[in-house]
Amino acid sequence: GIQVEQSPPDLILQEGANSTLRCNFSDSVNNLQWFHQNPWGQLINLFYIPSGTKQNGRLSATTVATERYSLLYISSSQTTDSGVYFCAVEANFGNEKLTFGTGTRLTIIP
Amino acid sequence: NAGVTQTPKFRILKIGQSMTLQCTQDMNHNYMYWYRQDPGMGLKLIYYSVGAGITDKGEVPNGYNVSRSTTEDFPLRLELAAPSQTSVYFCASSYLRGLPYNEQFFGPGTRLTVL
Repeated sequence: GIQVEQSPPDLILQEGANSTLRCNFSDSVNNLQWFHQNPWGQLINLFYIPSGTKQNGRLSATTVATERYSLLYISSSQTTDSGVYFCAVEANFGNEKLTFGTGTRLTIIP
Repeated sequence: NAGVTQTPKFRILKIGQSMTLQCTQDMNHNYMYWYRQDPGMGLKLIYYSVGAGITDKGEVPNGYNVSRSTTEDFPLRLELAAPSQTSVYFCASSYLRGLPYNEQFFGPGTRLTVL
């Protein structure tokens, strides 16, 4: 099946810093989503981005499908950004089944 | 819309007990999914359904059963609970037929402990 790798596994930053999280995948995809899992365990949809670039406030994401990677940018980090960020992909002909990466744990220090 | 709802939020089971995790969505989505998340890991697909009456196995189906009698509901059944089933369980739904995209939406999760 398709493989999804996220980097870095852990990231500790000062409040106000910017960060870039990366997701590499091993095959062509129909669907790519970024999620934020907050400290209470809730999964929050950030972006549905199988290709191209999207922005939502301080967050933006870019997927380069031909090179099989996606990037999540967080600018001016706040403590509420802490948590685990997951990338999940659906392979072409994957019947809408998502495969998750193991996540990047982000900790923002005040 | 309430989105995807799950009950219960928490449950402790003894080894060998059975239980059903409930999942309901009110978005008229065709597809529904069950995932489990072990500590420090990403989510793994247990079972999924592409419509009422149709279910299929995911990556980790052993020890679980599902049914889909309506579009809205997709319960997950644990027949003989084992400590290896201690996990957080997420239900998700997606896909309105005819739309060009397929974003999955997740419920709040059920935290299950088997002792």
